[in-house]
Amino acid sequence: GENVEQHPSTLSVQEGDSAVIKCTYSDSASNYFPWYKQELGKRPQLIIDIRSNVGEKKDQRIAVTLNKTAKHFSLHITETQPEDSAVYFCAASITGYALNFGKGTSLLVTP
Amino acid sequence: EAGVAQSPRYKIIEKRQSVAFWCNPISGHATLYWYQQILGQGPKLLIQFQNNGVVDDSQLPKDRFSAERLKGVDSTLKIQPAKLEDSAVYLCASSLVLGGNTIYFGEGSWLTVV
Repeated sequence: GENVEQHPSTLSVQEGDSAVIKCTYSDSASNYFPWYKQELGKRPQLIIDIRSNVGEKKDQRIAVTLNKTAKHFSLHITETQPEDSAVYFCAASITGYALNFGKGTSLLVTP
Repeated sequence: EAGVAQSPRYKIIEKRQSVAFWCNPISGHATLYWYQQILGQGPKLLIQFQNNGVVDDSQLPKDRFSAERLKGVDSTLKIQPAKLEDSAVYLCASSLVLGGNTIYFGEGSWLTVV
């Protein structure tokens, strides 16, 4: 089955800096790659997603890039703010099947 | 729009006891998922339903876990008997159609087995 690796497991940045989280996947048939943000004790919430026919997608301060050849995708957060502090999960799936999640990255943005 | 509803939110039981969790997906969502999230890890799929049929239950420990989705709406996940390693958050999620659409999660049911 699909295996999703996520790095780093923890990330600390200064407010205003950029943060990058990277994921790799094993199944070349995967074609949907969402990112979820989970605050302590809360539900995971979708922040951005990308499909395999697109190389990059941006939404305000958040962007995701996908390299199908290398089977990796990344989340980029620019101008980080304290409220960006949370655990971020990447996931991969094949259309019609459930999401396979990475182990998560705990992001801390310090003022 | 109402979200995915789950209950109970918190449950503490002794090992070998049983527990049941209930989920009501977003209205009109045909696909329902149960995920297990152990502290410090990403969610792991237990079972996926499309309407009232099972799409994938390959990671469900069937000797102790069972789930049903009668009438294709609400779902119940049961654990009997519980083990210490079942301590986790059980997340229910739903999506409009099978695959590719946004998956919405509930707040989760926190289980502690002592």
